[in-house]
Amino acid sequence: ETGVTQTPRHLVMGMTNKKSLKCEQHLGHNAMYWYKQSAKKPLELMFVYNFKEQTENNSVPSRFSPECPNSSHLFLHLHTLQPEDSALYLCASSPNLAGISPSSYNEQFFGPGTRLTVL
Amino acid sequence: ILNVEQSPQSLHVQEGDSTNFTCSFPSSNFYALHWYRWETAKSPEALFVMTLNGDEKKKGRISATLNTKEGYSYLYIKGSQPEDSATYLCAFWNRGFQKLVFGTGTRLLVSP
Repeated sequence: ETGVTQTPRHLVMGMTNKKSLKCEQHLGHNAMYWYKQSAKKPLELMFVYNFKEQTENNSVPSRFSPECPNSSHLFLHLHTLQPEDSALYLCASSPNLAGISPSSYNEQFFGPGTRLTVL
Repeated sequence: ILNVEQSPQSLHVQEGDSTNFTCSFPSSNFYALHWYRWETAKSPEALFVMTLNGDEKKKGRISATLNTKEGYSYLYIKGSQPEDSATYLCAFWNRGFQKLVFGTGTRLLVSP
């Protein structure tokens, strides 16, 4: 195990549902990330948090709402999703953001992902 | 828009074969190049983080080289084993964008 856990592992939801994805890391890292992987596409960064503060929103629609209550936990709240939002959602963490320190090259530690299906 | 290209998209080899994959990335404003190994239903796992032109890293039977001036990295697997079957991702970190940009990966299948 990498020390990054995600729940649930699988989620099926209707377009009118509200659900949340949870990510937890026990590595003492300061930065956390949400990625999306759609079929046959590269991993796509959605959000970045550093010390609980959001530092990057990669033009993600507002139906995805992240929350980072502390450096160990990251949530992705889902509301009024579309079928095209069906994908694998991966959480990751890293000790720091790249460039914070001379040796900070931002190796990322990933969770196993949540497979989301929107009906 | 930054683009990271990986080739081939997929590869099927026999146990014992040696193989290699390519990752191409923009050569300007280079900061770091990452390789990850991703087995089905598991978490992507970092193999190497490469930062210097000419870098060569090795972990067991897997090694990687880096050419930042021409914008490519090679990943080599010597004597492939069935447990090497996975998708191998490379990701490029550009100073200007402050985020990792991933390729679509090379899916390797090693048959016994």
